[in-house]
Amino acid sequence: SYVLTQPPSVSVAPGQTARITCGGNAIGTKNVHWYQQKPGQAPVLVVYDDDDRPSGIPERFSGSNSGNTATLTITRVEAGDEADYYCQVWDSRSDYVIFGGGTRLTVL
Amino acid sequence: QLRLQESGPRLVKPSETLSLTCNVSGGSIRSSSHYWGWIRQPPGKGLEWIGSVYYSGSTYYKPSLKSRVTLSVDTSKNQFSLKLNSVTAADTALYYCARHLLYTSRQFDYWGQGILVTVSS
Repeated sequence: SYVLTQPPSVSVAPGQTARITCGGNAIGTKNVHWYQQKPGQAPVLVVYDDDDRPSGIPERFSGSNSGNTATLTITRVEAGDEADYYCQVWDSRSDYVIFGGGTRLTVL
Repeated sequence: QLRLQESGPRLVKPSETLSLTCNVSGGSIRSSSHYWGWIRQPPGKGLEWIGSVYYSGSTYYKPSLKSRVTLSVDTSKNQFSLKLNSVTAADTALYYCARHLLYTSRQFDYWGQGILVTVSS
């Protein structure tokens, strides 16, 4: 079965750039989506189809996807960005949806 | 604005069936472009997709849960439902309903607030 691997945690100082990776076999051939989940809240889609942003999501959030790694990049990190982030794909071969294990972003 | 709201029993006994309903408002469940799905999150853990249903009744499930899960849709009530049988403590989780696109993208763009279901005698 297809597996998505994320680092458990990433820490960054305010104003700096955070990069959260999502690894998977040939993930560059799939559409990757990213969700932000703050404590006690439902996940929110922040990036879809590798690098598109839903309306209302700041331009500070961006994504890239190539080879075996997809990356969510958050520039000019703010305290309010502290949350868990999940990547997600659809595995067309097996026809099911997969989430990564999640990464906790800590703003120092 | 589309809204999804989960409802159902918050406490289920081991070996029994967990039943949840998601009410959709602000839009039609008869969308030709979307599936309606269930995702769960055990306390302190990550997200796990359970399965999704189309308004026609077509379904697809996470393989490891397929034998215990049934999804259905009631277009007259603009609702869809989850049944998970033979539950154990491992099925204790926050259960979310959400919408995703029909096509290759399949990102979840609208989510309910979630409902915590505890499996305990």
